[in-house]
Amino acid sequence: KAGVTQTPRYLIKTRGQQVTLSCSPISGHRSVSWYQQTPGQGLQFLFEYFSETQRNKGNFPGRFSGRQFSNSRSEMNVSTLELGDSALYLCASSTGRGGNVGTDTQYFGPGTRLTVL
Amino acid sequence: AQTVTQSQPEMSVQEAETVTLSCTYDTSESDYYLFWYKQPPSRQMILVIRQEAYKQQNATENRFSVNFQKAAKSFSLKISDSQLGDAAMYFCASVMNYGGSQGNLIFGKGTKLSVKP
Repeated sequence: KAGVTQTPRYLIKTRGQQVTLSCSPISGHRSVSWYQQTPGQGLQFLFEYFSETQRNKGNFPGRFSGRQFSNSRSEMNVSTLELGDSALYLCASSTGRGGNVGTDTQYFGPGTRLTVL
Repeated sequence: AQTVTQSQPEMSVQEAETVTLSCTYDTSESDYYLFWYKQPPSRQMILVIRQEAYKQQNATENRFSVNFQKAAKSFSLKISDSQLGDAAMYFCASVMNYGGSQGNLIFGKGTKLSVKP
């Protein structure tokens, strides 16, 4: 089975611009979660999508948004970029069905490194 | 609120020796999962081992095992016969089981493991 893929792997943007990141989950997985990783704050949960619906959300401003398509692929959008948005953005997929640790284990993609200048 | 604490920012081990990474967590919930993830310099987050809170038996995966002490809220990782490829950042994480974890892994700050030849 192919793993979680993320595109692009690297992005350089300037302040005020917007950016869209893409994540394709493992085949059969319907849940996609997004995380931001920075040296200062560590790994922080952004949001989770399941069957095209946002099911859970972390504590991030409204500039961060996402969506999920019928094929479970997900996109994350950040508008009006700030310098502090520079980070590694990781997405993770799971079956999302719940019930046991196997179905709830999240498998991560390689990440998108976003640099805001 | 859930918290995960890794008190060792850096650890070092000699090749073929054994090392234990510490993790404590705090939660008022009774049903949750615990994970150890490994992040090598390539930045891909890789699942190492997982544990369901209701299971008293400690999880093992080849050279990796955990010491899960639920009352003490401790979840340490033991790596036996350390190999050069084990060098990485190790993250302890927890997620509540609300009939489906809905994303939202809570991560510790990580422990950087070096392996000396």
